[in-house]
Amino acid sequence: EDQVTQSPEALRLQEGESSSLNCSYTVSGLRGLFWYRQDPGKGPEFLFTLYSAGEEKEKERLKATLTKKESFLHITAPKPEDSATYLCAVQDNSKLTFGKGITLSVRP
Amino acid sequence: DAEITQSPRHKITETGRQVTLACHQTWNHNNMFWYRQDLGHGLRLIHYSYGVQDTNKGEVSDGYSVSRSNTEDLPLTLESAASSQTSVYFCASSESINGFGYTFGSGTRLTVV
Repeated sequence: EDQVTQSPEALRLQEGESSSLNCSYTVSGLRGLFWYRQDPGKGPEFLFTLYSAGEEKEKERLKATLTKKESFLHITAPKPEDSATYLCAVQDNSKLTFGKGITLSVRP
Repeated sequence: DAEITQSPRHKITETGRQVTLACHQTWNHNNMFWYRQDLGHGLRLIHYSYGVQDTNKGEVSDGYSVSRSNTEDLPLTLESAASSQTSVYFCASSESINGFGYTFGSGTRLTVV
């Protein structure tokens, strides 16, 4: 059974204070690892897909990396508008299995 | 622009009633999914479909059903609503079953009283 564990559950940062969000996974055959952002009252919004260990992707202040057992979402110099819940999901065969999410709060 | 829409956004219903939540997408995606999201559990898969007339059960399918009569729509029916089904429901669609992320709707908040 696929499992996805995200840590920490919640993270509070000061504006400009860089940090990383962790996603550990076990899956029989990884077809892709996905990061989503979810704002309150909205559906998840796609950020990145990573397919193989060593792969990295960047978008503005976010960078996602992948190893054989975990993925990190690095946030560089965050701003208050980066406050959201970040979801990690793994895909084997056809379906996505999601972690419980990490709630990020960035204080001005 | 293509989109995926869910209706209603909010619904309150009574225990034992049948409820149907609508999901409509204009992406022309073959793959559609229903998830529920609860505190402490994250997103859990209820049902999914890979195309017209195809439906499959997810990990929390008891008490729910879906039907797929066209590409655009995958309605979710709660046969006899229970308080345990109070949740936020998300519909999603995807272009391919391998390696593609999902596009999500904005969700339906369902309260069963």
